[in-house]
Amino acid sequence: GGIITQTPKFLIGQEGQKLTLKCQQNFNHDTMYWYRQDSGKGLRLIYYSITENDLQKGDLSEGYDASREKKSSFSLTVTSAQKNEMAVFLCASSIRADTLYFGEGSRLIVV
Amino acid sequence: GDSVTQTEGLVTLTEGLPVMLNCTYQSTYSPFLFWYVQHLNEAPKLLLKSFTDNKRPEHQGFHATLHKSSSSFHLQKSSAQLSDSALYYCALSDSNYQLIWGSGTKLIIKP
Repeated sequence: GGIITQTPKFLIGQEGQKLTLKCQQNFNHDTMYWYRQDSGKGLRLIYYSITENDLQKGDLSEGYDASREKKSSFSLTVTSAQKNEMAVFLCASSIRADTLYFGEGSRLIVV
Repeated sequence: GDSVTQTEGLVTLTEGLPVMLNCTYQSTYSPFLFWYVQHLNEAPKLLLKSFTDNKRPEHQGFHATLHKSSSSFHLQKSSAQLSDSALYYCALSDSNYQLIWGSGTKLIIKP
């Protein structure tokens, strides 16, 4: 079986700082996703990528950048961290939009 | 556009009682429907997926029936266990690269 690895598990930064989360998958899936999880609001799509070097914006892309450097990795950058952005960020991969496989999440803390 | 509605944000039940979590959807197509489960401090993972041939998917005692006439895919279990306490998401596939997510239902099972 495969695995999705997100680093770091906890990311602490200062307000206004640029912060980057990384995601690696060994499923050999083409499609990868970044979601933001806030309590009571479900999973909101930030960016997704259907193949290497592709980027598609989700509903919540403002304030974020993403990069699909190679098929197995997908990174997300918070361009200017704000205190109201403290949330859990989930990376996932899939074959098209069938079964998604998620990482355990990265928690962003802004001080 | 497509949407998924989970009306209950929190459901609290006593162990041994039946579980039903509601999910209704709107779609211009005949989508696939999914239930994902997320236990505390774990990654979300697929619990059930609808079939194209009207079979009822089952996993770990949970089942869900896709009713196209009422646009519903409610999650059911005959007898709740303490280990069922988790966050449950209903989602639909738009047959492209995205899943449309409900807002989630937190299920708490008490002894």
